[in-house]
Amino acid sequence: DAKTTQPPSMDCAEGRAANLPCNHSTISGNEYVYWYRQIHSQGPQYIIHGLKNNETNEMASLIITEDRKSSTLILPHATLRDTAVYYCIVRVVGRNTPLVFGKGTRLSVIA
Amino acid sequence: DAGVIQSPRHEVTEMGQEVTLRCKPISGHNSLFWYRQTMMRGLELLIYFNNNVPIDDSGMPEDRFSAKMPNASFSTLKIQPSEPRDSAVYFCASKGGGGGGRAGYTFGSGTRLTVV
Repeated sequence: DAKTTQPPSMDCAEGRAANLPCNHSTISGNEYVYWYRQIHSQGPQYIIHGLKNNETNEMASLIITEDRKSSTLILPHATLRDTAVYYCIVRVVGRNTPLVFGKGTRLSVIA
Repeated sequence: DAGVIQSPRHEVTEMGQEVTLRCKPISGHNSLFWYRQTMMRGLELLIYFNNNVPIDDSGMPEDRFSAKMPNASFSTLKIQPSEPRDSAVYFCASKGGGGGGRAGYTFGSGTRLTVV
């Protein structure tokens, strides 16, 4: 699976949009971009995933650049409960291989 | 669906004792993963099973660690003898077959192990 690079930490004001970047310049054509988050002391939680089109669900939006070398996770109206470590993971769909976690981005939502 | 169930939630044990962590995956999921998380090393994969068969145990730190999956609904991770450096949060995750999608990896709440 391709390697990803994320900033170690970010701050966001409550109620504002949180934009979390991820670089995956070595991504292959059959690899998807996945986002998970881990709220303190809990297990990682699935947020969203995508291949090349932008995706949106009830939790977030995922914007993938046209060359697929980077992406941005958007939390449209961040709340204090969104404070967590966010992991960007690239992997091939269809295989039951493990998720490989990097260091992620620690997002702090500030009141 | 009760999700992935891990027990115990917290375990405090003395150095040298045997520790057994338990995991019940989501019914119908055919892959199970054990991870360990520490401040220094983050989330590390220890071992994973597909259809109850261990596929990759290269992340198991030492022979003191062993994992079994006797059937599709139960797995154990055993540490014998335990050492203070084994103190960590241990997560179990399961996944159904086929594509990732929303029905992808589901993590348990973890077991916080403290070895004194």
